[in-house]
Amino acid sequence: DAGVIQSPRHEVTEMGQEVTLRCKPISGHDYLFWYRQTMMRGLELLIYFNNNVPIDDSGMPEDRFSAKMPNASFSTLKIQPSEPRDSAVYFCASSFVAGGPGDTQYFGPGTRLTVL
Amino acid sequence: GQNIDQPTEMTATEGAIVQINCTYQTSGFNGLFWYQQHAGEAPTFLSYNVLDGLEEKGRFSSFLSRSKGYSYLLLKELQMKDSASYLCAVTTGGGNKLTFGTGTQLKVEL
Repeated sequence: DAGVIQSPRHEVTEMGQEVTLRCKPISGHDYLFWYRQTMMRGLELLIYFNNNVPIDDSGMPEDRFSAKMPNASFSTLKIQPSEPRDSAVYFCASSFVAGGPGDTQYFGPGTRLTVL
Repeated sequence: GQNIDQPTEMTATEGAIVQINCTYQTSGFNGLFWYQQHAGEAPTFLSYNVLDGLEEKGRFSSFLSRSKGYSYLLLKELQMKDSASYLCAVTTGGGNKLTFGTGTQLKVEL
């Protein structure tokens, strides 16, 4: 299995531009998670999906952030317009089932976003 | 809300044993995970505890006390490659939403 795939790995953009991050979860996994990691705040959950349906988006910072999962093998996280404070590493993770060791989440390599 | 506390940094010597503690205050606790994250890389799963007691996996062991809201990760026979951040995370409620601590940066020295 290829694991969780994210693209791009690095993104540098200017303030005000739209940014789209992409994720392909592990095949067969029912849950998909988007996280943001910064030195100041650590690893924060932004939103997660179960069977392509958003379950909890309480971690999405504001309306500039949106996420979609049009099918079981693809999800996007979009920031529009981007701001310098959005600079962080964004991780996508997936897991199989809820409850017990099946909760184990497998992380993608992350996208390092820099907003100038 | 959730509150998870870990020491920010620890230093240990190659070949030694180190214990990384984690305390949590949550409602609806389900289980506790430990993840390892090397600099510039993604977190990777180390261990999972749902019942009280010790879970052993090779050089790594993890302990949980649900009544005390306490866990620790024990690393034996430390190697230089164990230098990394160790993240404690809890699941609560019916789903598998993870809440992470800020991580403990472990430095292994010669």
